[in-house]
Amino acid sequence: DTGVSQDPRHKITKRGQNVTFRCDPISEHNRLYWYRQTLGQGPEFLTYFQNEAQLEKSRLLSDRFSAERPKGSFSTLEIQRTEQGDSAMYLCASSLAGQTNQPQHFGDGTRLSIL
Amino acid sequence: DAKTTQPPSMDCAEGRAANLPCNHSTISGNEYVYWYRQIHSQGPQYIIHGLKNNETNEMASLIITEDRKSSTLILPHATLRDTAVYYCIVRTNYNQGGKLIFGQGTELSVKP
Repeated sequence: DTGVSQDPRHKITKRGQNVTFRCDPISEHNRLYWYRQTLGQGPEFLTYFQNEAQLEKSRLLSDRFSAERPKGSFSTLEIQRTEQGDSAMYLCASSLAGQTNQPQHFGDGTRLSIL
Repeated sequence: DAKTTQPPSMDCAEGRAANLPCNHSTISGNEYVYWYRQIHSQGPQYIIHGLKNNETNEMASLIITEDRKSSTLILPHATLRDTAVYYCIVRTNYNQGGKLIFGQGTELSVKP
């Protein structure tokens, strides 16, 4: 299967620790998105990259959050000094930029639990 | 804020058509309507999208009204595996990234 891959699928950590998630998009996709989803809610946009450039960041992305896509392929999302409110599913999606609307395809997410 | 309104929940009998409505009265001329679904513990799955013409693929049909203020997703023969939350999304600013703004969606329960 060559869909969007996220690692790890689950992460449990203590409050105050740093965590990093990885996303591998569909190979030819040059756009990559991060979303966050809390229980009972729809996903919320965090940030997006076109190739290696981070072009938009949501106000939800506080200073403790940083995302990178160094070579325009995989991406990482790091959360520093985790808080209880960071517990959520973190979803990655990718798409192909072009003149016609191209859908985003999602991975199955990383579920973060803060103890 | 999401630009769509959907009923919070719907039931459908297995084997029957599931018709999921969506209102998007403030949609602009160049904005597409997208449908995704999310099965528990999985990421959202793309279903279909359209601008103004009706669309059909192997998963579903999308019917968009002539004034584009509403649409209906049709699953022609619902199965138990179609039980999921269905999101109708108006996608804006595609050339500036086209982030998706999800609402609460419709929780579809397919019953035997």
